[in-house]
Amino acid sequence: QKEVEQNSGPLSVPEGAIASLNCTYSDRGSQSFFWYRQYSGKSPELIMSIYSNGDKEDGRFTAQLNKASQYVSLLIRDSQPSDSATYLCAVRGNTGFQKLVFGTGTRLLVSP
Amino acid sequence: DAMVIQNPRYQVTQFGKPVTLSCSQTLNHNVMYWYQQKSSQAPKLLFHYYDKDFNNEADTPDNFQSRRPNTSFCFLDIRSPGLGDAAMYLCATSIGQGSYEQYFGPGTRLTVT
Repeated sequence: QKEVEQNSGPLSVPEGAIASLNCTYSDRGSQSFFWYRQYSGKSPELIMSIYSNGDKEDGRFTAQLNKASQYVSLLIRDSQPSDSATYLCAVRGNTGFQKLVFGTGTRLLVSP
Repeated sequence: DAMVIQNPRYQVTQFGKPVTLSCSQTLNHNVMYWYQQKSSQAPKLLFHYYDKDFNNEADTPDNFQSRRPNTSFCFLDIRSPGLGDAAMYLCATSIGQGSYEQYFGPGTRLTVT
């Protein structure tokens, strides 16, 4: 079982719709969770971090965390074509104090 | 603006010819990381420094070395690049001290011919 799992996609949504991206993790002791956006050929860009169960909103982005079920999700409201990218989930587990474990990412395609 | 800078952005080297990639940061962060990312794969951590303390990943090949001469700079040395080392190399930083958000530089695309 991979430590951090994401559906590779592509997830296709029309412009203006809500995109829902999901991530599950195996280390029950994980404490910190991050979402990165990565455009093709570019480096990852941090868009959200979440540490507590529940929802965290930042503009059009909402991160949701459920530690009991070991999943974290990212909702993108009013999706725009410029949101088309790969979204990486990253988790800080108990294996390394300063290390993050990344998933392989979900590719999101937003069509005009 | 505070940032993470990587040079060069594109590097072409020959099989077996040593190459050095550089990373600098103006964020004054304590932790610096080097990742290798291949197409459609997750970034793979090679090693990281917390201040001057070097932390190597168990599966990082000996062919990869790193130096951090001061807080601002970190280097990745590939002693004898193979074709399988062609990838995007990403430098990232974090504050440390209980903060775990990592900020990435633009990356260096390495091609091995």
